[in-house]
Amino acid sequence: GAVVSQHPSRVICKSGTSVKIECRSLDFQATTMFWYRQFPKQSLMLMATSNEGSKATYEQGVEKDKFLINHASLTLSTLTVTSAHPEDSSFYICSALRGGALSEKLFFGSGTQLSVL
Amino acid sequence: GQQLNQSPQSMFIQEGEDVSMNCTSSSIFNTWLWYKQDPGEGPVLLIALYKAGELTSNGRLTAQFGITRKDSFLNISASIPSDVGIYFCAGQNSGYALNFGKGTSLLVTP
Repeated sequence: GAVVSQHPSRVICKSGTSVKIECRSLDFQATTMFWYRQFPKQSLMLMATSNEGSKATYEQGVEKDKFLINHASLTLSTLTVTSAHPEDSSFYICSALRGGALSEKLFFGSGTQLSVL
Repeated sequence: GQQLNQSPQSMFIQEGEDVSMNCTSSSIFNTWLWYKQDPGEGPVLLIALYKAGELTSNGRLTAQFGITRKDSFLNISASIPSDVGIYFCAGQNSGYALNFGKGTSLLVTP
């Protein structure tokens, strides 16, 4: 089946540094990828929609200058958390859309646990 | 995005028991989905529903898409320890982004 690879799975960084998270669709091309954030014991909250070759669309309340998204190819989207602060500590999950509109073709990565000290 | 109302928030049951959880929304969705998430992992799709009134099974799991398009339920029959995890409902309309429920944490004791 289709696989979405997310890297790294866990990262610990100092406050003020930037962290890049990669999301790759391994055996299909994904024109659209989504980035979610999940706090402990909470649901997944959509941060932004990433479309290949164009600017990402951010959800209300998500700072586009802080969470930089690049979708330069059909198999890779990156999320960079710039100048990370402890409140950015969270579980970040990407998902990639393969083909048409059916949800069965939406695949999730395994997530990245970010801890900012 | 809209967050869906999912209940119960948590369940603690014995192996072999049946489980039921549901999800409601104030707005209509064209698709309802149910996911399971293990700790430190991304969600895995269990069942997808595309038509109002649709009843779909996947092994011991059964889910239904409400007639009003504003609700869905998931049943797990004869639960086993590996059913432990957090179950999320999700609604979807055009644009492909999912709106998730708050999750139901399921614990199963042997």
